[in-house]
Amino acid sequence: RKEVEQDPGPFNVPEGATVAFNCTYSNSASQSFFWYRQDCRKEPKLLMSVYSSGNEDGRFTAQLNRASQYISLLIRDSKLSDSATYLCVVNFGNEKLTFGTGTRLTIIP
Amino acid sequence: DTAVSQTPKYLVTQMGNDKSIKCEQNLGHDTMYWYKQDSKKFLKIMFSYNNKELIINETVPNRFSPKSPDKAHLNLHINSLELGDSAVYFCASSGSNQPQHFGDGTRLSIL
Repeated sequence: RKEVEQDPGPFNVPEGATVAFNCTYSNSASQSFFWYRQDCRKEPKLLMSVYSSGNEDGRFTAQLNRASQYISLLIRDSKLSDSATYLCVVNFGNEKLTFGTGTRLTIIP
Repeated sequence: DTAVSQTPKYLVTQMGNDKSIKCEQNLGHDTMYWYKQDSKKFLKIMFSYNNKELIINETVPNRFSPKSPDKAHLNLHINSLELGDSAVYFCASSGSNQPQHFGDGTRLSIL
């Protein structure tokens, strides 16, 4: 089993729709969790950290379920500019971030 | 001001050559990293240094040798380049238990 697993997609979603991604991780001792966004031919950029109580940043909501070992990202009212690859990232507690393979999202006008 | 900067942005060279990629961060972070992103877009850690000390070495061939002259710099030297080394190499830095900030990548193509 991969340490961090995501559905690679692609997800093709009409503008204005709501889309959700899940990510599962293998190590129950994992300490911190993040969602990164990577645009084509660009570097990964931090989108948001994921906290145990769940957190929201504008149209983006992140949730963590430690019991089931998954994190999720919800994007509401999707915009064309949301088209990117979304990377689930887990810190297993050794200063090493482990990246999922990413989920490709395309917002269609 | 660029927080994590790496040079060169593009590197095209022949098999068997030796090349270096440089990385500098001005964020005051203690930890720096090198990642490789291959054609399938999977981002995999190669090395991590904390305050100039190697803390992660992910079974990378010893043709790859990182060097950290100080905590703001982490360079990557690659000997005897092979076709399979073609990829995008990202440098990153972070504070303790903080998310990482990435440079904009070096696209290495081996002919």
